[in-house]
This record gives sequence, structure tokens and C-alpha cells, in this order.
Amino acid sequence: KAGVTQTPRYLIKTRGQQVTLSCSPISGHRSVSWYQQTPGQGLQFLFEYFSETQRNKGNFPGRFSGRQFSNSRSEMNVSTLELGDSALYLCASSPDLSLGTQYFGPGTRLLVL
Amino acid sequence: EDQVTQSPEALRLQEGESSSLNCSYTVSGLRGLFWYRQDPGKGPEFLFTLYSAGEEKEKERLKATLTKKESFLHITAPKPEDSATYLCAVRVYGGSQGNLIFGKGTKLSVKP
Repeated sequence: KAGVTQTPRYLIKTRGQQVTLSCSPISGHRSVSWYQQTPGQGLQFLFEYFSETQRNKGNFPGRFSGRQFSNSRSEMNVSTLELGDSALYLCASSPDLSLGTQYFGPGTRLLVL
Repeated sequence: EDQVTQSPEALRLQEGESSSLNCSYTVSGLRGLFWYRQDPGKGPEFLFTLYSAGEEKEKERLKATLTKKESFLHITAPKPEDSATYLCAVRVYGGSQGNLIFGKGTKLSVKP
């Protein structure tokens, strides 16, 4: 079974721009969660999607948003990028909402200049 | 507030020198505790899930245990390829901090 895939793997943007990251979950998994990982804060939960609806949200500003499509693929968007948004963005999938083990993708490394 | 603390932050071992990593948690209601391994520049790789106190899981040189307040990841006779950051995470009932709450990790280095 193929694992979680994320595109692109690396991205360089400048302040004020916006960015869209993509995640394809493991086949059959219906829940997709997004996390931000930085050296200082570690892994922090952004949001979880299930059946095309956001079901759970972490403590991030509204500049961070996402969506899920009918095939369970998910995208996250960050608008008006700030230097502090530089991080590794990780997507994880699980079979069901807030249940079971989450399996992570390789991440998208975002650098904001 | 739900919280996960891992210790030590970093651990250096000689090949074959067994040790344990600690994950202590303060949560309102535990729905599961997860251990992951993360290599530099990569996503976390799932190792174990534990659901109730007294539960143990083993995989090769690794063994995870769970009590009501903490979990241990025991590494027996480690090899250099076990070098990585080990992350602990908990899922809680009705948590306000979101889906999985992660500790900051323990960076393990195993020297030959």
C-alpha cells in the first residue's frame, strides 16, 4: 500500500505571498490532519478533515486554512506569509475521525524569505 | 491544560548500551498514546500505539510500556541505525489542543 504523499517537498516564498500544499492520504483513509513542525515549538496540530469537513482545529490564525476533496485528498493554504511560517508542514492520515493511528507523509519544507 | 513532556531531550549511547526514554503526560482523558521515530528531514514513522495502563508492545530492539502517568520506550542493545528523534504523542477525550498532542522529542545518538 502506498503511503501518504505530499507535494511539493520544498518551497521558497517571500513574505506576503500565499502558498498551497497538497496531501494524498493512504488509500482507504478518510481522515487527514495537518501539523506544523518547527525547532522551537515542535509538532503542533493545525486541523483535521473528514468527509470534506473540518472537524477539529488547533490554535493557528485564520491565515491557515484547508479543505478536503471527495477522494479524501487535502490541501492547506497559508495566506499573507510571515517569516515565522517557515517550517516543515506534515500531513497525516488515519482510517477514521480522531481514531486509530495517524500515518505521516514526508512533509513539505517551506522557507519564507 | 493537557501536556506531554519527554525526557531526556538528548541521549548519547554506545552501541549495545541499553536505556529508556520517558514520556510523562497530564491529560484529562487518554484515548491513546503513540510513539513515533523521526529521521532528519523526514516525516514521523509510526512505532507503537498503547491504549491502557499495563499494556506493552515490542518491535525488534524497542519495547513500549504504559502506566497511568507515563510511558517508557526501552531500547535494548541499540545499534547506530537506531539514531533518530523519538516522539511521543497523546490523543485525549474532548481535547482543546487538537488531535494529537506531541512532546518535544528525545534525540537519540548511538555511537559504534
